[in-house]
Amino acid sequence: KQEVTQIPAALSVPEGENLVLNCSFTDSAIYNLQWFRQDPGKGLTSLLLIQSSQREQTSGRLNASLDKSSGRSTLYIAASQPGDSATYLCAVSQGNTGKLIFGQGTTLQVKP
Amino acid sequence: DAGVIQSPRHEVTEMGQEVTLRCKPISGHNSLFWYRQTMMRGLELLIYFNNNVPIDDSGMPEDRFSAKMPNASFSTLKIQPSEPRDSAVYFCASSLGTGSYEQYFGPGTRLTVT
Repeated sequence: KQEVTQIPAALSVPEGENLVLNCSFTDSAIYNLQWFRQDPGKGLTSLLLIQSSQREQTSGRLNASLDKSSGRSTLYIAASQPGDSATYLCAVSQGNTGKLIFGQGTTLQVKP
Repeated sequence: DAGVIQSPRHEVTEMGQEVTLRCKPISGHNSLFWYRQTMMRGLELLIYFNNNVPIDDSGMPEDRFSAKMPNASFSTLKIQPSEPRDSAVYFCASSLGTGSYEQYFGPGTRLTVT
């Protein structure tokens, strides 16, 4: 059974720092991996989707990498801003079904 | 596009009552997903549809839960009878299809069963 783990559960950094969020999964037979952002009381916003055949995806200050063989993904946020404060969730899809299995998330606080 | 629309945004009901949650997916999207989020269990997939047909309902917790998608622009998730342990945030998401497509989430319905 696929399990997705995100460490740390919470992170607090000063504005301007570069930071890395980690995601690991137990079954490397994934179809793709998605990173989401969730603001308090809101729905999820898709940030990046990495296909299983890809190594990384970039969008603005965000870069996500995928190492399927080791069951790990990282989300790199450059030059963090207070507006980046949110919970970041990773989710893996197994098979061509669209079924996502989520980690518990990392809650990020960027202090001005 | 307005995105995925869910109603109501908040629902408070008494144990034993029927609850119906509604979702309008993004126009043109062929897949629709219902999720539940709780502090203890995180985000869990309940059921998903492809082209209005339920494909996998293995995440539906009990027979008290049912979901329908009568057409491409509307889906409902019904709980009857509701119980306090059903209290959670219920999200609907849609995508162009299954597989390698991003899922777009609605704002969620916060359900409280007293």
